[in-house]
Amino acid sequence: KAGVTQTPRYLIKTRGQQVTLSCSPISGHRSVSWYQQTPGQGLQFLFEYFSETQRNKGNFPGRFSGRQFSNSRSEMNVSTLELGDSALYLCASSFQGNSYNEQFFGPGTRLTVL
Amino acid sequence: QKEVEQNSGPLSVPEGAIASLNCTYSDRGSQSFFWYRQYSGKSPELIMSIYSNGDKEDGRFTAQLNKASQYVSLLIRDSQPSDSATYLCAVSQSGGYQKVTFGTGTKLQVIP
Repeated sequence: KAGVTQTPRYLIKTRGQQVTLSCSPISGHRSVSWYQQTPGQGLQFLFEYFSETQRNKGNFPGRFSGRQFSNSRSEMNVSTLELGDSALYLCASSFQGNSYNEQFFGPGTRLTVL
Repeated sequence: QKEVEQNSGPLSVPEGAIASLNCTYSDRGSQSFFWYRQYSGKSPELIMSIYSNGDKEDGRFTAQLNKASQYVSLLIRDSQPSDSATYLCAVSQSGGYQKVTFGTGTKLQVIP
């Protein structure tokens, strides 16, 4: 089975711009979670989608949003970029997204905000 | 108190030794526990999952869970330089849907 894929792998943006990141889960997986990873904060949970519905959301401002499509692919959007948004953005997929399911990560998108 | 705590390290062990990585968590209702390995510049890779008290072995890796003490550990036997990485402990909290909290990771250095 192909793994989780994320595009693009690298992005450079300037403050105030917006960005859209894409994630394709493992075939058959219906849950997609997004995380932000920075050296200082570690892995921080952004949100989780299952069957096109956001079921859970972390403590991030409303500038961070996401969606999931009927084929389980997911996108996340960050509007009005700030310097502090520079991070590795990871998506992870799991089969049904319950507490027992293992999550598998994609390679990540490294976002740099100048 | 952090929800999932790990010693940041670095933990240095000689090649061939046993590396012991520890993690504590605060939510007594946590149901599932995972260990991920993350090489520098790469994404986390799942290496072990454990759901019930006791030990679970997979090759050179053994995960240990003690829910009463809210403690989970990972032992790596016969440590190799290729095991040098950051190890993330992840805890899935109770509830119908997935909410996983990660520790900040322990950096392991295996010295040849």
